Amino acid sequence: DADVTQTPRNRITKTGKRIMLECSQTKGHDRMYWYRQDPGLGLQLIYYSFDVKDINKGEISDGYSVSRQAQAKFSLSLESAIPNQTALYFCATSGDGATDTQYFGPGTRLTVL
Amino acid sequence: AQKITQTQPGMFVQEKEAVTLDCTYDTSDPSYGLFWYKQPSSGEMIFLIYQGSYDQQNATEGRYSLNFQKARKSANLVISASQLGDSAMYFCAMREGNAGGTSYGKLTFGQGTILTVHP
Repeated sequence: DADVTQTPRNRITKTGKRIMLECSQTKGHDRMYWYRQDPGLGLQLIYYSFDVKDINKGEISDGYSVSRQAQAKFSLSLESAIPNQTALYFCATSGDGATDTQYFGPGTRLTVL
Repeated sequence: AQKITQTQPGMFVQEKEAVTLDCTYDTSDPSYGLFWYKQPSSGEMIFLIYQGSYDQQNATEGRYSLNFQKARKSANLVISASQLGDSAMYFCAMREGNAGGTSYGKLTFGQGTILTVHP
């Protein structure tokens, strides 16, 4: 089984709809992240969380919110989706050691019509 | 200023040849980490190799090695004996600060390089 899972893997929605993307991890990491990737570009950080009680905005948090339900679960919500939020969304986790590699989930392809 | 710069939008290499993907970075933090990820057409992000700013030797992982030149602030990825399955987008990324301290471990990504391996 994958260490970092994301659901759904693909989603098509309409402008104005609320949508939630979910992420679960079995790596036992405290740190979790949500990134967005636009076509042909690198990843940009939306939100990150050091633990259940510590949630912080990243570079592009406007229009998004998150919930850290447990150490293993980190959800991203689009309260009112708009077309320019069409992108590939990644969840990632890392430990807090000196060489903490971020491990990514498989990604969710979101299309907002 | 860009923190991570990958100047090669696309690279081509013959199967079994070696290829170098360029990455330069900009930071004033003495403690940082450099990462390379591979993203095949299926979309997932696959971690390849890591280099810490205090590491004395270049990192190696199988056919991947990182040519780390600290004074030049470059961290080029070298793939030896290219295979058709190496065709993908490759991202260089940097994490600044002490990961065990106050740094939140954010990765800053470059724009990526598309590598195509020809048979």
